[in-house]
This record gives sequence, C-alpha cells and structure tokens, in this order.
Amino acid sequence: VYLVESGGGLVKPGGSLRLSCAASGFTFSTYSMNWVRQAPGKGLEWVSSISSRSEYIYYIDSVRGRFTISRDDARHSLYLQMNSLRAGDTAVYYCATSGYSHGIADNWGQGIPVTVSS
Amino acid sequence: EIVLTQFPATLSLSPGERATLSCRASQSISSYLAWYQQKPGQAPRLLIYEASNRATGIPARFSGSGSGTDFTLTISSLEPEDFAVYYCQQRSKWPWTFGQGTKVEIK
Repeated sequence: VYLVESGGGLVKPGGSLRLSCAASGFTFSTYSMNWVRQAPGKGLEWVSSISSRSEYIYYIDSVRGRFTISRDDARHSLYLQMNSLRAGDTAVYYCATSGYSHGIADNWGQGIPVTVSS
Repeated sequence: EIVLTQFPATLSLSPGERATLSCRASQSISSYLAWYQQKPGQAPRLLIYEASNRATGIPARFSGSGSGTDFTLTISSLEPEDFAVYYCQQRSKWPWTFGQGTKVEIK
C-alpha cells in the first residue's frame, strides 16, 4: 500500500486548498478512505471519511460545510477540498486507508502540511 | 462525542521492561478500539484493532486487551524502537476520536 499526499502549503485565512492522495498497491475502489490531521505539537483528529462507492461520508463538526471529501476510483485518488480556511485548520493532513473496517486507519501516507496564516 | 482518556501521559522505562498503557472511554465502545504508534516526524502506524487484534506485521510483544470502557496496551519487553507516542482511537460512534497520547520515553 502506497499513499502520497499533495496540494498542501501556505494559505491566507478565508482561502482554499485542495489536497490530493494518490493511492497504489491495493484495490482502491473497495476501501473506505480517510483524512486525519495533526496540529503542530498536538494529537490526532479524524477529519473526514468516505466509504467505497461514496455511500457514506462523514465530517467532524468543525469542518462540515467548509470541507468536501471525494474520490475518483478510476484515478485511484482521494481528495479534500478545503474552503474558508481558518488558523485552526493548520495541521499536517494524513490520507489513510480503512482496509480492515470502516473507522480503522490501517495504512497512512507521509502527511502534507497545511498552514493557514496571514 | 466519545472522549478517550489515556494514562499515564508519560511512561519512563528502560529497554527490556514491560510497558502498560491505559485508555478509558467516556461511554461503552464495546471492542471498537485501536492503538497506534507514532514516532517523531512520522505518520502513525496501526498496532492493534478491535481491542486485541494485532495488525499485519506487528511484533508479538505488542498486545491489547479490554472491552466496554477500559483498555490496555502492553509491550512485553521494550525494544529501543518502541520509544514513541501511543494513541488509542474509538470507532464505535462518529466522530471517531483519539486519546491525547501516552509518550513512552527512555528512562
């Protein structure tokens, strides 16, 4: 399993970013996929999850209405569109698979930093 | 939201010693608990899922137990590479939440 995140960087408050996660080494279409973040020096926070065939999509309250998770099974890719970004969204964002079961992050990407600052 | 409380916050031990880490849930989560290890500058790694099942490739010195609200991760004999931060995580109810972490440091 190989997961590579991209699209992070520095953005001003109120701005937008689109994170991508390129996946390989497994049958992407059959896995639930996730975004988990970690603010600098802090613990882990499960941001969003999307099931196979996009049947179920979850967001934590603090990002609902601002972030959109999506997947392209043909491209073996996961996305996170982040709008109206706030300083509190500053974190390393990890893409993770749920191969064992929904809600278990069994493989992780290396993470991509997102900094929201003026 | 289900709150997971990990204790102790820091565990100072020597290589070869046994480590016992605890995680308590604010309500019953059955066995829907996982444990992760994270080293500085690295992504987390899944160790245990469903409270007691070792993930693929995880050494037998790692074991998990518990159900309901109280859970334990045991490292039977610490190897130098085991010094890290450990997080528990529940998937009983969305939002899936993590504990605040236990740092296992070299004494």
